[in-house]
Amino acid sequence: GAVVSQHPSRVICKSGTSVKIECRSLDFQATTMFWYRQFPKQSLMLMATSNEGSKATYEQGVEKDKFLINHASLTLSTLTVTSAHPEDSSFYICSPGLAGSYEQYFGPGTRLTVT
Amino acid sequence: AQKITQTQPGMFVQEKEAVTLDCTYDTSDPSYGLFWYKQPSSGEMIFLIYQGSYDQQNATEGRYSLNFQKARKSANLVISASQLGDSAMYFCAMRGYGGATNKLIFGTGTLLAVQP
Repeated sequence: GAVVSQHPSRVICKSGTSVKIECRSLDFQATTMFWYRQFPKQSLMLMATSNEGSKATYEQGVEKDKFLINHASLTLSTLTVTSAHPEDSSFYICSPGLAGSYEQYFGPGTRLTVT
Repeated sequence: AQKITQTQPGMFVQEKEAVTLDCTYDTSDPSYGLFWYKQPSSGEMIFLIYQGSYDQQNATEGRYSLNFQKARKSANLVISASQLGDSAMYFCAMRGYGGATNKLIFGTGTLLAVQP
């Protein structure tokens, strides 16, 4: 399967600060990037979809000004949680997509804790 | 709109036995794909198996097989010869191929516990 990395794997930050999560597809070029959020004991919820070089499309209820997504290259996408609050504490997972392929792999996830 | 339903919050199975995890779906897309993922306690999402809506045969991958019943809109995962390492959360997911983004949506998951 594809190799996807996420950094950091865990982060603890104070309320009001911003956190950037990086997602890299190491062995293929991701034309599309999906960002998911997973609260404890719940399923993965899609937050937004981005295509390389374009603005992200956000799912209903996800604040685009709070969750900034950048997909500047085919191998790197970033999610920045701005002015984080304790309710933003969650497991964030990226998933790069490859055009023309049904396959969709996932990064190892980033566990964010906001104190 | 698309919807994935997993009605089993938790399942138990004895080691070496087979287990079926249920998944039903709803979509208006004529073409779609169905996925199963395993999520151990570490959190990583491990791809298990894929079934395309136009595939004639049920997908199989080692000990995993997908019982695809299109008319019933079900895509159950069958794990044969269960192992202790199979204990994890299992998610059914679907992607419709009629839209612009082809996003993958997930069911609520089934927590499988394999007992020795």
